Amino acid sequence: DAGITQSPRHKVTETGTPVTLRCHQTENHRYMYWYRQDPGHGLRLIHYSYGVKDTDKGEVSDGYSVSRSKTEDFLLTLESATSSQTSVYFCAISESDPGSYNEQFFGPGTRLTVL
Amino acid sequence: GQNIDQPTEMTATEGAIVQINCTYQTSGFNGLFWYQQHAGEAPTFLSYNVLDGLEEKGRFSSFLSRSKGYSYLLLKELQMKDSASYLCAPMDSNYQLIWGAGTKLIIKP
Repeated sequence: DAGITQSPRHKVTETGTPVTLRCHQTENHRYMYWYRQDPGHGLRLIHYSYGVKDTDKGEVSDGYSVSRSKTEDFLLTLESATSSQTSVYFCAISESDPGSYNEQFFGPGTRLTVL
Repeated sequence: GQNIDQPTEMTATEGAIVQINCTYQTSGFNGLFWYQQHAGEAPTFLSYNVLDGLEEKGRFSSFLSRSKGYSYLLLKELQMKDSASYLCAPMDSNYQLIWGAGTKLIIKP
């Protein structure tokens, strides 16, 4: 299994508070992704990174920011959490550059509840 | 727009064969992935197709028709542990995966 961990695994917070989720990998993969998964929806990309300090927005980036200061860590911050951000958050990694086979490996997920 | 269509839920019997269909419309196409996701767990990779035809991998096979925007996942000799959701994910022209909502497969004894 790819070495990907996420912390925390579960979090309950209140509306308006900032929240940071961490993804840590030991595979030295270049690409890292943050998704959210909600019932009735497919995985939706929030942000992704293609290298240290190189990030880009996904389809549902509003209200989220990311940072990647080291290859192994990718942080997702909810600047002011809202109830609509209650979800399961998955981090994923992939090794290959776009244009080639690009299997993604997923972390165990973080279940976030915003009250 | 981009759209993925899969059945929401399917039921099959242990030992039988089941086919899970996926139709897609994407901006460009660079292959299609199938992932398995057990309840409360992370998705795990099953297969990747980029050319038309059938790819076989043990009890699981995946088929692609690019001209029809269609793929299916075929599971043979079903086991109880195959109860899971199956996610279809084509890759668009920007090499981003576009995820379907998944098909929940229920296996009955």
